[in-house]
Amino acid sequence: DAKTTQPNSMESNEEEPVHLPCNHSTISGTDYIHWYRQLPSQGPEYVIHGLTSNVNNRMASLAIAEDRKSSTLILHRATLRDAAVYYCILRVSNFGNEKLTFGTGTRLTIIP
Amino acid sequence: EAQVTQNPRYLITVTGKKLTVTCSQNMNHEYMSWYRQDPGLGLRQIYYSMNVEVTDKGDVPEGYKVSRKEKRNFPLILESPSPNQTSLYFCASSLGRNRLYEQYFGPGTRLTVT
Repeated sequence: DAKTTQPNSMESNEEEPVHLPCNHSTISGTDYIHWYRQLPSQGPEYVIHGLTSNVNNRMASLAIAEDRKSSTLILHRATLRDAAVYYCILRVSNFGNEKLTFGTGTRLTIIP
Repeated sequence: EAQVTQNPRYLITVTGKKLTVTCSQNMNHEYMSWYRQDPGLGLRQIYYSMNVEVTDKGDVPEGYKVSRKEKRNFPLILESPSPNQTSLYFCASSLGRNRLYEQYFGPGTRLTVT
């Protein structure tokens, strides 16, 4: 599986935007970029995914670099509830296991 | 409400005493999977199932068994638990068919084997 690199931790002030970076320099043309997060004492939770174009949903936005070697998850207005570990995961569609390969992720701390 | 449920949420047991952790989803999902989460090792897949009666090993299947007799249920069985199976376990499900739909995770089961 292609690998992703994320900062170990980040801090942000409440009600401010947060940009969480992810590097995936060995991404292939068929890899989708997925983001999950894990709130304290909970299971991982899907956030967003994309292939080439930027994507928006009710939780976040995903900005994908033109060469697809990096991407940024954007939380537009962080709340205390957004404190979690965020995982950037590459996924390829194939007829088989849909395993998610979690790295170490970025631990996001929100400062009130 | 669409959800994945696991039971029990917490379990302390002794070495060698067989146990089952149940997982159930109410979304008619085809794909289900079990992960364990350990400090410093992240989440690792134990077993997965692409549909009823179709199961296969993940990355760390030793010491575990699964079954998929019904679409909604995917129990994890530890025939003879050992202390190295002390971990946090998560069940996950998705629509499947390799269309990379989002996966839904259960709340987790914290297992301690003494």
